[in-house]
Amino acid sequence: DGGITQSPKYLFRKEGQNVTLSCEQNLNHDAMYWYRQDPGQGLRLIYYSQIVNDFQKGDIAEGYSVSREKKESFPLTVTSAQKNPTAFYLCASSIIGTGGSGANVLTFGAGSRLTVL
Amino acid sequence: GQNIDQPTEMTATEGAIVQINCTYQTSGFNGLFWYQQHAGEAPTFLSYNVLDGLEEKGRFSSFLSRSKGYSYLLLKELQMKDSASYLCAVLSGNTPLVFGKGTRLSVIA
Repeated sequence: DGGITQSPKYLFRKEGQNVTLSCEQNLNHDAMYWYRQDPGQGLRLIYYSQIVNDFQKGDIAEGYSVSREKKESFPLTVTSAQKNPTAFYLCASSIIGTGGSGANVLTFGAGSRLTVL
Repeated sequence: GQNIDQPTEMTATEGAIVQINCTYQTSGFNGLFWYQQHAGEAPTFLSYNVLDGLEEKGRFSSFLSRSKGYSYLLLKELQMKDSASYLCAVLSGNTPLVFGKGTRLSVIA
């Protein structure tokens, strides 16, 4: 079955440590995204990528980094510079299009919940 | 930028109908999406509207008025399993989806 796999599902980090969240998709989607979700908040965009070896900052990119070396993979690193990293992180992918049905519909992974101790 | 507003919480009775509203302000509008998200899980796609009018899909329908910057999600014959957050998201130009803060719906017996 095609889909998006995020790992780990739960992660605990000590202050000052960098952690990397994995996101892999086998949907052959060109675009991949990382969103952050806090209680009572909507999804906020961290980074996105529409093509291999290229990515763009979202609204809250500070303290995060990404890479897109393969079409299938879009890992997110939460660095020690991120002041409040405890959150639910969601990876998504989509076909890029002009807004017709199917295009731009995000398919989400199951999420990774990061807790800073 | 974009501004997307939806109510924070709603409560409805099993078997009833509920309407969740979403208003937005944006330029280069290219479509409006509704997602359902159960607690602790990933959002799942419900509907997409780009033209004015009503799109019906089983118990769920979604309406769009582009001139008013307004959409609603209509849930009929509510079931307990419909208790979830409902996220309104707007697509503008070539930028990624921007989400509202979500409406948490509680279905009671």
